[in-house]
Amino acid sequence: ELKVEQNPLFLSMQEGKNYTIYCNYSTTSDRLYWYRQDPGKSLESLFVLLSNGAVKQEGRLMASLDTKARLSTLHITAAVHDLSATYFCAVDKGNNDMRFGAGTRLTVKP
Amino acid sequence: EAGVAQSPRYKIIEKRQSVAFWCNPISGHATLYWYQQILGQGPKLLIQFQNNGVVDDSQLPKDRFSAERLKGVDSTLKIQPAKLEDSAVYLCASSSRQGYNYGYTFGSGTRLTVV
Repeated sequence: ELKVEQNPLFLSMQEGKNYTIYCNYSTTSDRLYWYRQDPGKSLESLFVLLSNGAVKQEGRLMASLDTKARLSTLHITAAVHDLSATYFCAVDKGNNDMRFGAGTRLTVKP
Repeated sequence: EAGVAQSPRYKIIEKRQSVAFWCNPISGHATLYWYQQILGQGPKLLIQFQNNGVVDDSQLPKDRFSAERLKGVDSTLKIQPAKLEDSAVYLCASSSRQGYNYGYTFGSGTRLTVV
């Protein structure tokens, strides 16, 4: 049974600071997704990581994947208020079936 | 391109009643998913369709939930009878074969409250 664990589950940070969200998963997979969800809204795809060592960046967010360690990170650089949201990682367990972590609720304060 | 359409947006029912949700995926997307998202949790897969065939329904509570995707396009998810613990947002997502490399597209969801 594939387990996907994110930490921290809650993150409060000040504008301008850096932080990293971690996503660990329990079985082999070579495809990992990061999604953003604003309160009351649906999920928005941020990154798809397809191979070991993959790194993708968009604005102040950078995601990486280490398939050997079964670990993905989402790094936030110089946070701004607009980044406040819940961030989910999801792992493809095979057969294009995604399993989600519990999410990290990020609050960026001025 | 038009997104994934879901209806209704909100539904309030009493326990033991039945309810149905509808999803229209992006045109041409062969794969359709139904997820249940309980408040404060990540989405949980209920069922995955490839065209009009079921690929995975291992987490669908089949004693009360059913889903179909006639003609491989629209899909409906039904709950009968509903329980209090079914209160959640029901999300539909779709993807093409190439979409696996770009992430799936989610609809806005249906928020179900069972009282």
